[in-house]
Amino acid sequence: QKEVEQNSGPLSVPEGAIASLNCTYSDRGSQSFFWYRQYSGKSPELIMFIYSNGDKEDGRFTAQLNKASQYVSLLIRDSQPSDSATYLCAVNTFNKFYFGSGTKLNVKP
Amino acid sequence: KAGVTQTPRYLIKTRGQQVTLSCSPISGHRSVSWYQQTPGQGLQFLFEYFSETQRNKGNFPGRFSGRQFSNSRSEMNVSTLELGDSALYLCASSLGEWETQYFGPGTRLLVL
Repeated sequence: QKEVEQNSGPLSVPEGAIASLNCTYSDRGSQSFFWYRQYSGKSPELIMFIYSNGDKEDGRFTAQLNKASQYVSLLIRDSQPSDSATYLCAVNTFNKFYFGSGTKLNVKP
Repeated sequence: KAGVTQTPRYLIKTRGQQVTLSCSPISGHRSVSWYQQTPGQGLQFLFEYFSETQRNKGNFPGRFSGRQFSNSRSEMNVSTLELGDSALYLCASSLGEWETQYFGPGTRLLVL
């Protein structure tokens, strides 16, 4: 079992819609959770992180964490074609970062 | 504040050669991690250095090694290159434990 699991996609949404990206993790001892965006040929860039159960909002992005279900999600409101990228979920477990394989998001104009 | 820098950005080597990649973290960051990214395997953790000490290591063969200097700059070395070592090598820096990692632009290595 992988430490972090993501659906590889692609996830296709129309421009202006809400994109919902999901991630599950295996270790209950995981402490912090991150979402990165990676454009093709580029390095990952941090979108946001979350440590506590519940929602955390930053602009059009909302991260949701449910430690009981070992589940992290990222919602992107008013999706734009420029949001088309691969989204990586990362989990910090005892100071080791584990990355999911990423979900490819396509936002269609 | 300048971001993470990596040199070189692109590298072509042949099998059997060795290569050294360099990473300069964000000023003030003491932790440097290295990752290998390939289309088939995704991002895989190589090792992490903090204050010149290797604190964590992933599941890579001993051909992959690294070090960190007193100014937090880090180098990664791969000896006896194999075709399968062709990948994007990413360096990420953070302030310390549990802190957010910020990635450099990566070094794209092609082994022929």
